[in-house]
Amino acid sequence: QSVLTQPPSVSAAPGQKVTISCSGSSSNIGNNYVSWYQQLPGTAPKLLIYENNKRPSGIPDRFSGSKSGTSATLGITGLQTGDEADYYCGTWDSSLSADVVFGGGTKLTVL
Amino acid sequence: EVQLVESGGGLVQPGGSLKLSCAASGFTFSGSAMHWVRQASGKGLEWVGRIRSKANSYATAYAASVKGRFTISRDDSKNTAYVQMNSLKTEDTAVYYCTRPGAGGYFDLWGRGTLVTVSS
Repeated sequence: QSVLTQPPSVSAAPGQKVTISCSGSSSNIGNNYVSWYQQLPGTAPKLLIYENNKRPSGIPDRFSGSKSGTSATLGITGLQTGDEADYYCGTWDSSLSADVVFGGGTKLTVL
Repeated sequence: EVQLVESGGGLVQPGGSLKLSCAASGFTFSGSAMHWVRQASGKGLEWVGRIRSKANSYATAYAASVKGRFTISRDDSKNTAYVQMNSLKTEDTAVYYCTRPGAGGYFDLWGRGTLVTVSS
C-alpha cells in the first residue's frame, strides 16, 4: 500500500490528452514539492517533472505538472505510442517512516 | 559523462547478506546526498534509505521495512555509495537503484539498477 494514491491505469488514443492524479496528505504533498517519473519497460525511472511543474532539460512541453493542496496532477498532451510507460509521483514526507514516498504508479496505455 | 552504476546484486539465501555498490562519475559526488530506491518485479518504487554528505555529517535514514538490517555508507575518495544488506528476506527481492537528489526533493539521476534475489 503506497502512501501516495495514483490510479492503476489510464488510457487514451494517440494525439489525445491524459491526466494522472496523485493524492497524498499534509505530511507529504501538502507541504512539499512533487516530482513525476516516467519508467519505460525494462528501464530505470526518469525525471519528468520536478518542483510541481518544472521540466528538466530535454523533456518536451507536452508534459506538465500541477499541484493543489494535497494532490498533484501530471498532464500529457499529444499522446504518442512512445509515451506508453509507468508514471510515478514522489515527494518528501515529514512523518517518521520515510524521507521520501512514491505513488503506486500508473500504467499509461496509448490505444 | 554524468552517471551512476550499481553493482553487487545476485542470488542470496534468506538470512544472508549482500553489499551493493553505486559508483558515481561526472559530478561532485562528495557534495551530494545519495539515496537507494528499490522495485520488486511488477511493483512500484519503494524508498530504501539515504546518506547525506560530509557537510551534513553523513546522516543516514532508512525505511521502516529495512531499518536495523540495512546500512548505507559512502567513500567519497572512491565516489561510491554502498548499502550493506543483512538478514535478507524474500520480500527484499527487487531491483535496487541508487539515485541522486536535487534541491527540491526530486531525483534527477538514476542508475540502471542491480537485481537482488533472495531465495532458497
